[in-house]
Amino acid sequence: AQSVTQLDSHVSVSEGTPVLLRCNYSSSYSPSLFWYVQHPNKGLQLLLKYTSAATLVKGINGFEAEFKKSETSFHLTKPSAHMSDAAEYFCVVSDNQGGATNKLIFGTGTLLAVQP
Amino acid sequence: GAVVSQHPSRVICKSGTSVKIECRSLDFQATTMFWYRQFPKKSLMLMATSNEGSKATYEQGVEKDKFLINHASLTLSTLTVTSAHPEDSSFYICSARQGTGGFQPQHFGDGTRLSIL
Repeated sequence: AQSVTQLDSHVSVSEGTPVLLRCNYSSSYSPSLFWYVQHPNKGLQLLLKYTSAATLVKGINGFEAEFKKSETSFHLTKPSAHMSDAAEYFCVVSDNQGGATNKLIFGTGTLLAVQP
Repeated sequence: GAVVSQHPSRVICKSGTSVKIECRSLDFQATTMFWYRQFPKKSLMLMATSNEGSKATYEQGVEKDKFLINHASLTLSTLTVTSAHPEDSSFYICSARQGTGGFQPQHFGDGTRLSIL
């Protein structure tokens, strides 16, 4: 079975400081991992994805994440936070069992607050 | 690219009404579409998966007669909440994916806020 754990439900940073959102996964298969962002009353926007290519993945808006198999982690980082980064972030693993559906399994989300 | 349009964005209606929500992939063909429900301050709960031209697969605990899903084409899926009641009030989000590979991301609509009075 696959699962995702987001270690922090809330993270608060000051504008211009680095962002670190933590995610650990559990998977019996070679996982596909994603980070999505959700602004209030909106759907989810894909930030980046890992699909067994380069372990350091660069996404949109300056975000990146590093796949570390030894630590079963896929933490999301950004060097300098912007006010517009304030949102809910979801770490997601794909159920890569080769079946037809390949469902997404969501973490519980991390709410990022950016202070001026 | 990979834009998913969901309509309407907000619905307020009386108890007992049926409500239809549309999900369209605008610039790609979606082999598979997904319907989620999100409760306040919670993560997304998968309701059902639909493949074009076939019956939807519902998750355990989701009433298929209550939540009717039709995936009539590669760009359109609809969710109909039949005889809606206040407990059906929620944020419903659809997503669409090209192909069936788990490595392919799902692209999400902006959601529909459903409020049943």
